[in-house]
Amino acid sequence: SQQGEEDPQALSIQEGENATMNCSYKTSINNLQWYRQNSGRGLVHLILIRSNEREKHSGRLRVTLDTSKKSSSLLITASRAADTASYFCATESLGNDMRFGAGTRLTVKP
Amino acid sequence: GAGVSQTPSNKVTEKGKYVELRCDPISGHTALYWYRQSLGQGPEFLIYFQGTGAADDSGLPNDRFFAVRPEGSVSTLKIQRTERGDSAVYLCASSLRGRATSNEQFFGPGTRLTVL
Repeated sequence: SQQGEEDPQALSIQEGENATMNCSYKTSINNLQWYRQNSGRGLVHLILIRSNEREKHSGRLRVTLDTSKKSSSLLITASRAADTASYFCATESLGNDMRFGAGTRLTVKP
Repeated sequence: GAGVSQTPSNKVTEKGKYVELRCDPISGHTALYWYRQSLGQGPEFLIYFQGTGAADDSGLPNDRFFAVRPEGSVSTLKIQRTERGDSAVYLCASSLRGRATSNEQFFGPGTRLTVL
């Protein structure tokens, strides 16, 4: 069963704009990870944030984690057409399997 | 190779047939995972190997599904008496260490299974 739920399900923006995707989950976690997927095939790891961290940055990506609200957000700044993909959050609890949400489909128009 | 590889990339079979899907993890990664992804959904966990043993097979949907990793490297996912509902993309991932530590999983490109 899936735990994370991404919001929105789909997002369409213009190149240069920022894109924000949210993820909510239900149980306590050890860490939360964001992945990107092109064309329904292999997933690419973007960022891992541990439960004792609140914010992490990687290039144009910024991830926040609020364990009290059981939610996370992924911000992509200055988006590019090449950022068009599906983005998934995945939660991991110690000793348990990684649970993915259904994803946000991001379209960046040139 | 540098990444996780999966073969075949596409597999079309008829209902009732047996299929095997192969995963070559990154060399040196002790943990290997299988996931199944249906259209419009996120990956769903099937099974996790730590070394040669299946440490968690709680995600396997029924006894038609089985996976092995005899030498702690390559893994094969086996599906008996395939059904149309088995059609999905089957993803394999590996990580340097297992679930006891937080670490990134590296995914292969997947095998798209279509059961006619």
